[in-house]
Amino acid sequence: NAGVTQTPKFQVLKTGQSMTLQCAQDMNHNSMYWYRQDPGMGLRLIYYSASEGTTDKGEVPNGYNVSRLNKREFSLRLESAAPSQTSVYFCASRDTGAGNTIYFGEGSWLTVV
Amino acid sequence: EDKVVQSPLSLVVHEGDTVTLNCSYEVTNFRSLLWYKQEKKAPTFLFMLTSSGIEKKSGRLSSILDKKELFSILNITATQTGDSAVYLCAGVRYGGSQGNLIFGKGTKLSVKP
Repeated sequence: NAGVTQTPKFQVLKTGQSMTLQCAQDMNHNSMYWYRQDPGMGLRLIYYSASEGTTDKGEVPNGYNVSRLNKREFSLRLESAAPSQTSVYFCASRDTGAGNTIYFGEGSWLTVV
Repeated sequence: EDKVVQSPLSLVVHEGDTVTLNCSYEVTNFRSLLWYKQEKKAPTFLFMLTSSGIEKKSGRLSSILDKKELFSILNITATQTGDSAVYLCAGVRYGGSQGNLIFGKGTKLSVKP
């Protein structure tokens, strides 16, 4: 049981380049999330998806797009990377039933130069 | 606006000490409170609390929720260097925006030998 898998783990981008962070979960969860984490800022929600086919903006959506491809996969795209997007990105999925807990991927360290 | 506030922001103790981490919350349609431990990588789940006054325990860690005063504490007894981490709490609500989860900024615990 892999849980939440995200790729890549590390990436260096040049300003203006685009890239997609991939995320997949095998726990049959409806809700999926993308967070970024910066020193002193805690976890900040970029986008989330309550179910397949729906996505909603979080606290810091500017500069990002998402796709909920199916129930398993939720990808995050940076169309034109900026140095301010240098961060650690976490994908997560949540059991919205009785368990109600959120499970995180291992993180993706992104540097934009 | 819903919020979760953790205190202290950082804490330095010596091995063997007992620590108490605080999490206060203002969450409409409150459902549960979650505690996570984050070392170098992804946050890992510790506890989910839904009922007031019922202590959850796992080894040297324990946690309790007070739904009247709107706070939770995480206790760690006989601390070890391996307890050094950022501890996150999150309020879970029924419905609403932000994916129904509000994270605090975390408490960074450093345990010195």
